[in-house]
Amino acid sequence: DIQMTQSPSSVSASVGDRVTITCRASQGISSSLAWYQQKSGKAPKLLIYAASSLQSGVPSRFSGSGSGTDFTLTISSLQPEDFATYYCQQANSFPLTFGGGTKVEIK
Amino acid sequence: EVQLLESGGGLVQPGGSLRLSCAASGFTFSSYAMNWVRQAPGKGLEWVSVISESGGVTAYADSVKGRFAISRDNSKNTLYLQISSLSAGDTAIYYCAKVRLRGDRACDIWGQGTMVTVYS
Repeated sequence: DIQMTQSPSSVSASVGDRVTITCRASQGISSSLAWYQQKSGKAPKLLIYAASSLQSGVPSRFSGSGSGTDFTLTISSLQPEDFATYYCQQANSFPLTFGGGTKVEIK
Repeated sequence: EVQLLESGGGLVQPGGSLRLSCAASGFTFSSYAMNWVRQAPGKGLEWVSVISESGGVTAYADSVKGRFAISRDNSKNTLYLQISSLSAGDTAIYYCAKVRLRGDRACDIWGQGTMVTVYS
């Protein structure tokens, strides 16, 4: 199985800050990576697919990059509604696997 | 509106069984593979199972293989997950999720989840 390692596990940031979350796969997955946002008590929401493609309706302050084993999710200017937990997911092969999550908290 | 609505969760004793359902609307259900993903209280996301568009191909996480069975009824636009031989480790919110496109494994639509609690 492909292991996904996210860092940091949590980050404290202020509105307007630039936030970067990284995800590392235990083996190469090309660009088969998705990013999700999950708010408390809600279902996950797809933000990014194919490592860098923005899902329809997602604000452009979210961006993704990377290929192979190393990936990044960047929020260019953090907004109040962005405080949530973020997960990466490898979409290369079954079993699908998720990173452990990164909680973005208010500083 | 594209929507997934799970049902069937509840309280069950160890060793018990439940059948979860996921009703789809707003899209051509039979054109998309579907997944079940679960989340234990306070924990991260864990993929459980996938079924192909026609239902002919399925796959499972090792943690549930032999105990869970995924199926679908395209005439009813409904996905199912039969869960059995339950233990405390199966306590979780169970989400159904639609793949974004044929051949893709990112999930663009998720249901609100149904809670399964295994208690003794």
